[in-house]
Amino acid sequence: ETGVTQTPRHLVMGMTNKKSLKCEQHLGHNAMYWYKQSAKKPLELMFVYNFKEQTENNSVPSRFSPECPNSSHLFLHLHTLQPEDSALYLCASSPLRGEAETQYFGPGTRLLVL
Amino acid sequence: GQNIDQPTEMTATEGAIVQINCTYQTSGFNGLFWYQQHAGEAPTFLSYNVLDGLEEKGRFSSFLSRSKGYSYLLLKELQMKDSASYLCAVQDSNYQLIWGAGTKLIIKP
Repeated sequence: ETGVTQTPRHLVMGMTNKKSLKCEQHLGHNAMYWYKQSAKKPLELMFVYNFKEQTENNSVPSRFSPECPNSSHLFLHLHTLQPEDSALYLCASSPLRGEAETQYFGPGTRLLVL
Repeated sequence: GQNIDQPTEMTATEGAIVQINCTYQTSGFNGLFWYQQHAGEAPTFLSYNVLDGLEEKGRFSSFLSRSKGYSYLLLKELQMKDSASYLCAVQDSNYQLIWGAGTKLIIKP
């Protein structure tokens, strides 16, 4: 238990569906991250929020839409995804962004797009 | 471009020692992290090196040479539960983490 929870743990969706992934951290951190993890590939940073403000968007397609209502919660809204978007989506948090801080990860949501 | 290289897969025997290497080429350097990830679980923090040398933490040690762009993770007295993927990540000059693809470690009895 890392103090970062994600729901759902598994998700199967069609290309026309809309779904949302949820992340919650109980560590009092101020920075939160979304990563995509595909088999045998490095973690891909998608979005970064620092004090609820989005600070990075690493050329992520608009079919992924993040939302950070407060420093403890992070959402990833999914819309008209493609089969190649099937992957493990990991949420992480750290005390701050821009410092040499350890990131703490949630267990991830395993997404399958049909 | 920025790049982290580590072996894709390694096999070792229970009770033995294994060394997982990581080489990196990044825009600046603000530290190197090792994470452990069991299948279907979250990556968990193992170690952080920012200065050259060896950091020891129980059965696990991590070494860094900044001049060579090189690190290794040393696991001693291997146990079956050490079967996992080990991820190397470097924090660049913008404090962004650059990740390797991970090394899958298989422990055999």
